Amino acid sequence: GAVVSQHPSWVICKSGTSVKIECRSLDFQATTMFWYRQFPKQSLMLMATSNEGSKATYEQGVEKDKFLINHASLTLSTLTVTSAHPEDSSFYICSARDSSGRDTGELFFGEGSRLTVL
Amino acid sequence: AQSVTQLDSHVSVSEGTPVLLRCNYSSSYSPSLFWYVQHPNKGLQLLLKYTSAATLVKGINGFEAEFKKSETSFHLTKPSAHMSDAAEYFCVVSHSSGTYKYIFGTGTRLKVLA
Repeated sequence: GAVVSQHPSWVICKSGTSVKIECRSLDFQATTMFWYRQFPKQSLMLMATSNEGSKATYEQGVEKDKFLINHASLTLSTLTVTSAHPEDSSFYICSARDSSGRDTGELFFGEGSRLTVL
Repeated sequence: AQSVTQLDSHVSVSEGTPVLLRCNYSSSYSPSLFWYVQHPNKGLQLLLKYTSAATLVKGINGFEAEFKKSETSFHLTKPSAHMSDAAEYFCVVSHSSGTYKYIFGTGTRLKVLA
């Protein structure tokens, strides 16, 4: 089945540093990927839609300069949290849509990345 | 506009008894509906999906859901709960036109009592 890999699973960083999270589709191509943020015991909140070869589309209220998204290839999207602060601590999850002829409308989710900013 | 409402934030059942997790949706389009399960600190796993085919959808691990257009509901059921079913469950609505953007419900935490 379709697999989405996220790395790292856990990251702890100091306030003011930047952290990059990778999302890879392992056995399919994905022109569109999505980044979500999940606070403890809450639902997933869509942050942005990542489009291969073009700028990401951010949801209202999400700072694009804070959360940099790059989708440079058909299998990789990255989320960089710049100048991280403790309030950025969260669980970040990516998902990808199979852009080949096998697309069923289903999104495939990564395992998530837990970011803790000290 | 689309939205999804999960009516119960927490559900507790005894092992071996039926599970019912409720979901109502609102959509201007013909929706696709999904149920996902999330175990602690993990990503989401698809349980089942409805995409305008049969209204009774069977998923993995014995779960099923019935799409009822007249009630705008897509409740998740399982005849007999297992301890391993304890997790967070999300109902999701999407539509096939546009960007396949998923709208998540607020989630239902299922607790299974021994």
